[in-house]
Amino acid sequence: EAQVTQNPRYLITVTGKKLTVTCSQNMNHEYMSWYRQDPGLGLRQIYYSMNVEVTDKGDVPEGYKVSRKEKRNFPLILESPSPNQTSLYFCASSTRQGSSYEQYFGPGTRLTVT
Amino acid sequence: AQKVTQAQTEISVVEKEDVTLDCVYETRDTTYYLFWYKQPPSGELVFLIRRNSFDEQNEISGRYSWNFQKSTSSFNFTITASQVVDSAVYFCALSEGSGTYKYIFGTGTRLKVLA
Repeated sequence: EAQVTQNPRYLITVTGKKLTVTCSQNMNHEYMSWYRQDPGLGLRQIYYSMNVEVTDKGDVPEGYKVSRKEKRNFPLILESPSPNQTSLYFCASSTRQGSSYEQYFGPGTRLTVT
Repeated sequence: AQKVTQAQTEISVVEKEDVTLDCVYETRDTTYYLFWYKQPPSGELVFLIRRNSFDEQNEISGRYSWNFQKSTSSFNFTITASQVVDSAVYFCALSEGSGTYKYIFGTGTRLKVLA
């Protein structure tokens, strides 16, 4: 089954404790991306990757890091989480080839930083 | 800079009414892509449609239709004969096709369809 998986789905942590949210896709997509969703603000892009070892900032990259060492994985790293990073996070993937640029989204990770 | 505006924060309709969700975008690119996604109460994000900037044909899919007008930079979404299952948050999004692969989402419109 074609899918994007994220782990964990829920996480409560404390300020300053480093964490990683994993994202994996099994569709051989070149493009992967991270978003955060906050009430009234919609989805905002954090980082995206056009292929292995190629990443770039979205609109809200501060406080986040990413890496793309393998095509299927795109982890999101919060080196020192703060309460303003409490949010719902989505990972997505798509292909930039062919006629379809539809993004496939993971189920989301709800992060609470206290 | 690119921008997507969904001015309607929340809309309530009674079942079987038609409803139009507005989306206005800004971009300097001549090549770009527009999307609509649905987020039902369960939280997942579901792709509905993609349009590229060179294709202004309107599209109909069952009870859903989309009206793309470059002259007004709008990509509106109409649900005909709405049903309770259409209750969701709907997002419009824009991706520029030349050089950058950023996606910009609107803030979403929450649609409530009342029985």
